[in-house]
Amino acid sequence: GNSVTQMEGPVTLSEEAFLTINCTYTATGYPSLFWYVQYPGEGLQLLLKATKADDKGSNKGFEATYRKETTSFHLEKGSVQVSDSAVYFCALRHTGTASKLTFGTGTRLQVTL
Amino acid sequence: EPEVTQTPSHQVTQMGQEVILRCVPISNHLYFYWYRQILGQKVEFLVSFYNNEISEKSEIFDDQFSVERPDGSNFTLKIRSTKLEDSAMYFCASNVQGADEQYFGPGTRLTVT
Repeated sequence: GNSVTQMEGPVTLSEEAFLTINCTYTATGYPSLFWYVQYPGEGLQLLLKATKADDKGSNKGFEATYRKETTSFHLEKGSVQVSDSAVYFCALRHTGTASKLTFGTGTRLQVTL
Repeated sequence: EPEVTQTPSHQVTQMGQEVILRCVPISNHLYFYWYRQILGQKVEFLVSFYNNEISEKSEIFDDQFSVERPDGSNFTLKIRSTKLEDSAMYFCASNVQGADEQYFGPGTRLTVT
């Protein structure tokens, strides 16, 4: 079956540090890949997505590249801010109009001054 | 910008009681989903719904759970006889026909005592 594996948190960084959160997946076919963010006390927000191999999703300074050869979709940001503190979820979804999302366990990021 | 709304934001109920969680998906969306997140754990798929019937459901979605679209705007999740382990954040999501991205509501926190 489909599964998503994320690096365990929490990840604690100083402001302006470089961020990488690793995500690998197992799936048949060609899933779409997503990063969702959950700020404290809020619901899930789509951060970025990629729908095919070698696509790069980007938003708010975050980037992730769909790597089919390594089945990975690592999240990166060059310079984090305190406001980026949140839980980040990697997810996959197969093509199809009513297909569920399969999430990783989430990685908590804490950015300090 | 259109958004998915959920009510109530927090529901406290006693074990064995029935609860109904309500969602108003984005108006032109046709596919609807429920997910849940037990505190500190990953987001798990419960059920997807299209054209007034269930498209897919997980093992979690047993006979105690049901979904309904009672009118043109609401989408509800009913738990007939709640258990302590049903305590979780429940998220509703929706998307348009053929689109990839699911839009999530802010969630309902269910506490079963």
